[in-house]
Amino acid sequence: DVKVTQSSRYLVKRTGEKVFLECVQDMDHENMFWYRQDPGLGLRLIYFSYDVKMKEKGDIPEGYSVSREKKERFSLILESASTNQTSMYLCASSLTWTSGTTDTQYFGPGTRLTVL
Amino acid sequence: GQQLNQSPQSMFIQEGEDVSMNCTSSSIFNTWLWYKQDPGEGPVLLIALYKAGELTSNGRLTAQFGITRKDSFLNISASIPSDVGIYFCAGQLRGNKLVFGAGTILRVKS
Repeated sequence: DVKVTQSSRYLVKRTGEKVFLECVQDMDHENMFWYRQDPGLGLRLIYFSYDVKMKEKGDIPEGYSVSREKKERFSLILESASTNQTSMYLCASSLTWTSGTTDTQYFGPGTRLTVL
Repeated sequence: GQQLNQSPQSMFIQEGEDVSMNCTSSSIFNTWLWYKQDPGEGPVLLIALYKAGELTSNGRLTAQFGITRKDSFLNISASIPSDVGIYFCAGQLRGNKLVFGAGTILRVKS
């Protein structure tokens, strides 16, 4: 059974704090993704990684960084949290991409982050 | 970035009714996907469409990949209470990056 887990379901932080969101997958997937989900905006890609120590910016990387030291773990870091980063954060993973196919992205349950 | 226009934004329907939602884009996509998100959970893939004109069913769900490759629709027949949730369309251009629509919130009255 596929499994993507996120370290917290709910998190409350203060403005200026450094925040770590952890994601772990047990499917030996190459690709991992971080999205944020906001009402009326759908899911927007923050960063993704297609291999250990590799990362690429998504559509909204400003204010975020990521770390992938091990294949199964992908961390999202908010260096100095701000109120406009209050959101639902979703992690996903997928196996790999070969031309002409789509590998299903499997999502974690999400972390609802509130920045006060 | 690329935009997907998903409509309607929300629906409140009677149990047993059919549901239809769609996504359009100004960009061409190679693959269209439909996800469902239950309350408190992450999205789960319902249907994947790989070829223009393709019509695919999954139980009471039917989805089509538009001929122009710029649109897709999802139909749900005979809705039931557990169909409640948020439905997202997503387009894939290349690689494993997806572009998501804003979502359709579905509520069902029993």
